Amino acid sequence: GAVVSQHPSRVICKSGTSVKIECRSLDFQATTMFWYRQFPKKSLMLMATSNEGSKATYEQGVEKDKFLINHASLTLSTLTVTSAHPEDSSFYICSASSGQAPRAGNTIYFGEGSWLTVV
Amino acid sequence: LAKTTQPISMDSYEGQEVNITCSHNNIATNDYITWYQQFPSQGPRFIIQGYKTKVTNEVASLFIPADRKSSTLSLPRVSLSDTAVYYCLVGSYGQNFVFGPGTRLSVLP
Repeated sequence: GAVVSQHPSRVICKSGTSVKIECRSLDFQATTMFWYRQFPKKSLMLMATSNEGSKATYEQGVEKDKFLINHASLTLSTLTVTSAHPEDSSFYICSASSGQAPRAGNTIYFGEGSWLTVV
Repeated sequence: LAKTTQPISMDSYEGQEVNITCSHNNIATNDYITWYQQFPSQGPRFIIQGYKTKVTNEVASLFIPADRKSSTLSLPRVSLSDTAVYYCLVGSYGQNFVFGPGTRLSVLP
């Protein structure tokens, strides 16, 4: 079945540095990818919608200058956390749609997630 | 986007059938219903998707009544490894999913 892969699965960075998380769709082309953030024992919160070849659409309250999203190809989207601070520590998850409108619905597959710890 | 309501938590015993019902009263004509399973520190895993009536795959069944205002995920003979959070999501092509709190299923020995 469709697979979405994230890398790295875990990363530790120093406060003030930037870190990049990659999201790849391995066996399908994804024109749209989504980035979520999840705190322990909480649900996923959508951060932004990433469209190939265009600017990402950010949810209200998400700083676009802090969370840079690039969707340069149909199989790769990246999330860069810039000038990271300890409060940015979280579990970040990407997802991608392999659906063919409209009959197949909107089957979205999720990556394994990436744990970011800012020290 | 259709809002969904599910029980916050459920307990079951190994070998039992578990049914988790989700309400989505304002589901739109083009919306599909999709269920995901999430284990701690992992991304959600696709379980099953349907539009109406009944859908069955190797791990679960999804029952959707004619009015589509609710759906029931059925897990046959659960095991300890089915302990997870289950999310009911409603949407159509091109839309993102808005996650509710999900249902935390605990399977007891």
